[in-house]
Amino acid sequence: DIQMTQSPSTLSASVGDRVTITCRASQSISSWLAWYQQKPGKAPKLLIYKASSLESGVPSRFSGSGSGTEFTLTISSLQPDDFATYYCQQYNSLLTFGGGTKVEIK
Amino acid sequence: QVQLQQWGAGLLKPSETLSLTCAVYGGSFSGYYWSWIRQHPGKGLEWIGYIYYSGSTYYNPSLKSRVTISVDTSKNQFSLKLSSVTAADTAVYYCARDRFRGPNPNAFDIWGQGTMVTVSS
Repeated sequence: DIQMTQSPSTLSASVGDRVTITCRASQSISSWLAWYQQKPGKAPKLLIYKASSLESGVPSRFSGSGSGTEFTLTISSLQPDDFATYYCQQYNSLLTFGGGTKVEIK
Repeated sequence: QVQLQQWGAGLLKPSETLSLTCAVYGGSFSGYYWSWIRQHPGKGLEWIGYIYYSGSTYYNPSLKSRVTISVDTSKNQFSLKLSSVTAADTAVYYCARDRFRGPNPNAFDIWGQGTMVTVSS
């Protein structure tokens, strides 16, 4: 099984900050990685697929990078609507989610 | 606009079988993988399994012995059964569709509204 490890688990930031979340895979997953945003009581929302492809309708302040075993999600300038929990997900071999990163208001 | 509408029993007793169905509205069923995912209260996401529109299934190894996912293409629906539930199966269950048609599974772009399932005696 492929394990996905996200860091940090919690991140405190202010509006306008540049935020980076890291996701590491226990073995290479090429670029088969997605990022999701989830708000309380809601289903997750797809932000990024294939490591760096921005989903339609997602603001350009979100970007993804990486390949192999290390990946990052970057929010270039944090907005009030971005305070949420973020998950990575690999789909190279079956499917596995990372543990999540909660972005909180500093 | 594709929508997923899910339903099923929200309260179960230990040892019963969880049964949920997800219907696809406004889009094609053919060519996609269809998944079930759950989220324990206050915790992260756990993939349960998926089914290809043709009927091929793949399950999370940790749940494989208790999970059955099936499809009814005539109704554009797919279903989840999880047997012998315990309190540890208490969670919100989501159905979801892959972003792109097959042949390989990929990211989820369409999600159901979620169903809270509680297992309690």
